[in-house]
Amino acid sequence: DTGVSQNPRHKITKRGQNVTFRCDPISEHNRLYWYRQTLGQGPEFLTYFQNEAQLEKSRLLSDRFSAERPKGSFSTLEIQRTEQGDSAMYLCASSSSGRGAFTDTQYFGPGTRLTVL
Amino acid sequence: SQQGEEDPQALSIQEGENATMNCSYKTSINNLQWYRQNPGRGLVHLILIRSNEREKHSGRLRVTLDTSKKSSSLLITASRAADTASYFCAPLEAAGNKLTFGGGTRVLVKP
Repeated sequence: DTGVSQNPRHKITKRGQNVTFRCDPISEHNRLYWYRQTLGQGPEFLTYFQNEAQLEKSRLLSDRFSAERPKGSFSTLEIQRTEQGDSAMYLCASSSSGRGAFTDTQYFGPGTRLTVL
Repeated sequence: SQQGEEDPQALSIQEGENATMNCSYKTSINNLQWYRQNPGRGLVHLILIRSNEREKHSGRLRVTLDTSKKSSSLLITASRAADTASYFCAPLEAAGNKLTFGGGTRVLVKP
């Protein structure tokens, strides 16, 4: 399957622990995005990479959150000292820039559901 | 703040009927994307309509865009029970690359 993949699909952790999620984008896509979605709401943008450069971060991304895309391929999102308010679905998406009918289309992965106890 | 805002928030129809939902946004956009989401699952991309397009079709889906009114609509024709899901519009701002989602329209198609 050549879609966006995310691991793990579910994560349960205790408050104060650190967690790390991984996203593997569609292979030819140079842009990668992280969003967060809480129950009953639409996704909210967290951050965006073009290749390995992190070009935009939301104010939602506190200093406990860090994202990397070291080689311009997969990305990781780490949350340090988790809080109960961090419980949400974390979604990753990827897209390609340039020309073509599917440019800018963001394809989403299945998400990682985080529960902080 | 969320830019794409869908209306209505919820919609209940009988199988075979058409479902129409609307989306409003606030700033200039490059394109607007519609997604479907089933509970607990990821978002499935439906259609992207660019700012210079007025209408687009994909199977039973029809999307319109009116940039002068900053609004879009999604029409699902001949609905099926499998169309039961939440539908989100997501404008892509002209000034950046992020999608801004509203709260979605929850569609229930009754068999």
